[in-house]
Amino acid sequence: QKEVEQNSGPLSVPEGAIASLNCTYSDRGSQSFFWYRQYSGKSPELIMSIYSNGDKEDGRFTAQLNKASQYVSLLIRDSQPSDSATYLCAVKLYEGGKLIFGQGTELSVKP
Amino acid sequence: DTGVSQNPRHKITKRGQNVTFRCDPISEHNRLYWYRQTLGQGPEFLTYFQNEAQLEKSRLLSDRFSAERPKGSFSTLEIQRTEQGDSAMYLCASSFLTGGTNEKLFFGSGTQLSVL
Repeated sequence: QKEVEQNSGPLSVPEGAIASLNCTYSDRGSQSFFWYRQYSGKSPELIMSIYSNGDKEDGRFTAQLNKASQYVSLLIRDSQPSDSATYLCAVKLYEGGKLIFGQGTELSVKP
Repeated sequence: DTGVSQNPRHKITKRGQNVTFRCDPISEHNRLYWYRQTLGQGPEFLTYFQNEAQLEKSRLLSDRFSAERPKGSFSTLEIQRTEQGDSAMYLCASSFLTGGTNEKLFFGSGTQLSVL
């Protein structure tokens, strides 16, 4: 079992819709969770981090964490074509530990 | 430019040759990571440093791979006796970790390795 798993997609949504991206992780003791966005041909960049169960909102982005289910998600409201990219879930197993990435989910927002 | 710098941007080599990549992190960043990424996959962890100390090396990484970070500044990643399966984008990232679990990685543009 991979440490961090995501559906590779592609996930296609119409402009203005809500895009929902999901991630599961294998280590129940994982401490912190991150979402990175990677445009084609570019390097990843951090968009959200979450540490506690529940929701965390930042503009059009909402990260959701459920540690009991070992599940983290990213919602993108009012999706725009500029949101088309690969979204990478990353998990830190413990304080001071390394960051492990999932395989990424490709999102395509159609005008 | 104060971002993470990687050199070279592209490297083409023949199978069996050795290659070395360099990463210059953002100054004051105490952590430096090396990842490998192939098309359609997420970054695969290779190794990381805190200052000059190498904290962990991936168990999946063969002994042909070695990394250094002398004096806690720039880092080099060397691959000996390259194989075609080593062809990938090699990404370097740095961060400043003060404690706790919050850590924002800043990535370089990567070095694209092609082994012929």
